[in-house]
Amino acid sequence: GAGVSQTPSNKVTEKGKYVELRCDPISGHTALYWYRQSLGQGPEFLIYFQGTGAADDSGLPNDRFFAVRPEGSVSTLKIQRTERGDSAVYLCASSLQGDNSPLHFGNGTRLTVT
Amino acid sequence: DQQVKQNSPSLSVQEGRISILNCDYTNSMFDYFLWYKKYPAEGPTFLISISSIKDKNEDGRFTVFLNKSAKHLSLHIVPSQPGDSAVYFCAASVGGSNYKLTFGKGTLLTVNP
Repeated sequence: GAGVSQTPSNKVTEKGKYVELRCDPISGHTALYWYRQSLGQGPEFLIYFQGTGAADDSGLPNDRFFAVRPEGSVSTLKIQRTERGDSAVYLCASSLQGDNSPLHFGNGTRLTVT
Repeated sequence: DQQVKQNSPSLSVQEGRISILNCDYTNSMFDYFLWYKKYPAEGPTFLISISSIKDKNEDGRFTVFLNKSAKHLSLHIVPSQPGDSAVYFCAASVGGSNYKLTFGKGTLLTVNP
């Protein structure tokens, strides 16, 4: 079946602009996660949704970052006033439940802030 | 402050031999550990996990060993195959859940034919 889909696959934006990154989880998966992978690093936790609500947003680096999942399926990660340090691959993952069900990652969105 | 450390950025082995990937952690609260494999331009793929109540978990060619006293775990791949060439990430979490994972920086494994 279809895996986790992330769009766009690549995004180049200018410093100070607003961007939205979209994640389509696997159908039926109630848990959704956003991670960020900077160059040479492992993925870093940003936020976790169980259904429509953010169960844990402790990984969001500052208030320029915000994520929503209004209908408990598709999620959008929003970044305001982008900075060059925001350049990274943004990974979305989903799982059947928010326990020990394996995380299924998408291929990521590579964000480049110039 | 790296709580999960993979000190070998890369490893090269011959096809058919054993690959051993190592991981150390500093947070004694971690009680669930996972290995993920990542090919270029793809997201990480779950490989195998182990709970802190165990010291070994095996799945086909993949075995994970956990040494809690040393805060060390390793992934053994036997026999190694060229298709195993990828970046391997060690990850850990608190509370037995995999939702908030702390990842290492990864080890690039190259299996030569």
